[in-house]
Amino acid sequence: KNQVEQSPQSLIILEGKNCTLQCNYTVSPFSNLRWYKQDTGRGPVSLTIMTFSENTKSNGRYTATLDADTKQSSLHITASQLSDSASYICVVSVGTYKYIFGTGTRLKVLA
Amino acid sequence: NAGVTQTPKFRILKIGQSMTLQCTQDMNHNYMYWYRQDPGMGLKLIYYSVGAGITDKGEVPNGYNVSRSTTEDFPLRLELAAPSQTSVYFCASSYLLSPANTGELFFGEGSRLTVL
Repeated sequence: KNQVEQSPQSLIILEGKNCTLQCNYTVSPFSNLRWYKQDTGRGPVSLTIMTFSENTKSNGRYTATLDADTKQSSLHITASQLSDSASYICVVSVGTYKYIFGTGTRLKVLA
Repeated sequence: NAGVTQTPKFRILKIGQSMTLQCTQDMNHNYMYWYRQDPGMGLKLIYYSVGAGITDKGEVPNGYNVSRSTTEDFPLRLELAAPSQTSVYFCASSYLLSPANTGELFFGEGSRLTVL
């Protein structure tokens, strides 16, 4: 069964600190993996895409990693800001037009 | 560039009423999707379409219907609304990066539906 699991479910950190979110997947055939950010009351927005051959990709203060052998990905946020408070969703593409969603990690950044 | 536009943003329905959630995209994407998002749960696929005139069921299609007469529009119809359909609904569209590689999903802002 295609599945995407994320941890932790929720996380509270102080502004300026770093954090790492985890995503484990059991998906076949794997196409790519994306991390999405969803602000409260808004639709998800893509942060980064990882294809099978990529290990690391950065987008500003966000750095995603992918280990295709262990089927794990992580999203590292550096020097967190209040605006980083959101849900972060790991989404794995299956074949050409299907997507499997994780349940998300809810991040709260405190001043 | 408007992207994916959903209407209405909020709606309250009585049990047994029907309504249509509208979705339109201006990016000429072939693939369109309707998801529902319940608190603490991942997005669940209701229906999807790979092109005009082609639709298929997702994980949770019961109580819903869709049509895709044009590339741009993908309305979701709720017939005989039930409290279990209280949720936030997202329309999304995507494209092919390559023959085996899907593009980014672009989401609308969501439609919050309450059935009382």
